[in-house]
Amino acid sequence: EADIYQTPRYLVIGTGKKITLECSQTMGHDKMYWYQQDPGMELHLIHYSYGVNSTEKGDLSSESTVSRIRTEHFPLTLESARPSHTSQYLCASRDVSGYTFGSGTRLTVV
Amino acid sequence: DQQVKQNSPSLSVQEGRISILNCDYTNSMFDYFLWYKKYPAEGPTFLISISSIKDKNEDGRFTVFLNKSAKHLSLHIVPSQPGDSAVYFCAASAQNNDMRFGAGTRLTVKP
Repeated sequence: EADIYQTPRYLVIGTGKKITLECSQTMGHDKMYWYQQDPGMELHLIHYSYGVNSTEKGDLSSESTVSRIRTEHFPLTLESARPSHTSQYLCASRDVSGYTFGSGTRLTVV
Repeated sequence: DQQVKQNSPSLSVQEGRISILNCDYTNSMFDYFLWYKKYPAEGPTFLISISSIKDKNEDGRFTVFLNKSAKHLSLHIVPSQPGDSAVYFCAASAQNNDMRFGAGTRLTVKP
């Protein structure tokens, strides 16, 4: 039973489209993260939040934006998708014992 | 600056044998280390962790060893099973700060 949910699981969209990747967790965790992962590459942190109305950019520069209006919800938005955005996007939340990841969204921009 | 390194992108072992996955880190402030397992099209799931006050932690078939002087940790899986085939990520954090992940090692266990 997943405590962190990502939708959609798979998405194929055209260049220039605006998309929002959804992430919700039911554990009440304050800290949430978005990672981007290409095959064979490490997980790159692109955004994180330590609580409501708190968002920061991560290690990897990203053209996406995030918002944190509610504790349980941490959506990621691409205003104008490009083929270079094709990747897997993983959302996570954490407590003192570690991270819980969602199932990921595999995005393909054509 | 990659602070957590998994230098072997892939590993193949026979069922029943031992799998050893390695991880090196550069930040001497790291004090908590975890291994995550990831199947295709799924998010990583927690496997096992170790604190820097220990040098070994065991959970069933999985054992993690930490060598602080070498800044090296390893995950041993014995005996390996085909269901263990997945990508394994090493992660580390310093004083409960955000974690840094390695690039992962793809383990294939052959029947």
